[in-house]
Amino acid sequence: NAGVTQTPKFQVLKTGQSMTLQCAQDMNHNSMYWYRQDPGMGLRLIYYSASEGTTDKGEVPNGYNVSRLNKREFSLRLESAAPSQTSVYFCASSEIVREGANVLTFGAGSRLTVL
Amino acid sequence: DAKTTQPNSMESNEEEPVHLPCNHSTISGTDYIHWYRQLPSQGPEYVIHGLTSNVNNRMASLAIAEDRKSSTLILHRATLRDAAVYYCIPRPIYGGSQGNLIFGKGTKLSVKP
Repeated sequence: NAGVTQTPKFQVLKTGQSMTLQCAQDMNHNSMYWYRQDPGMGLRLIYYSASEGTTDKGEVPNGYNVSRLNKREFSLRLESAAPSQTSVYFCASSEIVREGANVLTFGAGSRLTVL
Repeated sequence: DAKTTQPNSMESNEEEPVHLPCNHSTISGTDYIHWYRQLPSQGPEYVIHGLTSNVNNRMASLAIAEDRKSSTLILHRATLRDAAVYYCIPRPIYGGSQGNLIFGKGTKLSVKP
């Protein structure tokens, strides 16, 4: 059971380049999320998808777009990368467990550097 | 969203119990208390959650104050692998309108051999 898989694990971009971070989960979860984590900081939500076909902005959506391709996959796209987007990106999916609690499972992260 | 207060850092010796406190005085009556931890260079992982009663699982125990304004994550015997940042996160039942977790800075736990 792989859980949440993110690719690539590492990427270096030049300012202005574009790229897509891929995320896939094999747990049949409805909801998926993209977070970023800057050094010494907690995670901040970029976008989330409550179910297939829906996406919503989180706390820091500027400069990003997302696609919920199907129930398994949720991709994050940087159209024109900026140095401020240098960060570690985490994808997550969630399920409702005991007594209605919504528990997230995270991927291992994608480290992105923008020069 | 309820605000949380956790110590920036704590130290423990290996094989000793660790009590990680969290204050969440503005928690609402329908917020679960979730705990996640993040090991170095890894994504966060779920530890435990509770509403009112104390909870136990294979990873830890969660003790919740009667007024629900604070909680304590208990690691019964710390191992070197438990060195991580621990996050206490109040979260609405079913995840609320956005469903996301709001992470603070957490408590960095160091475990000494």
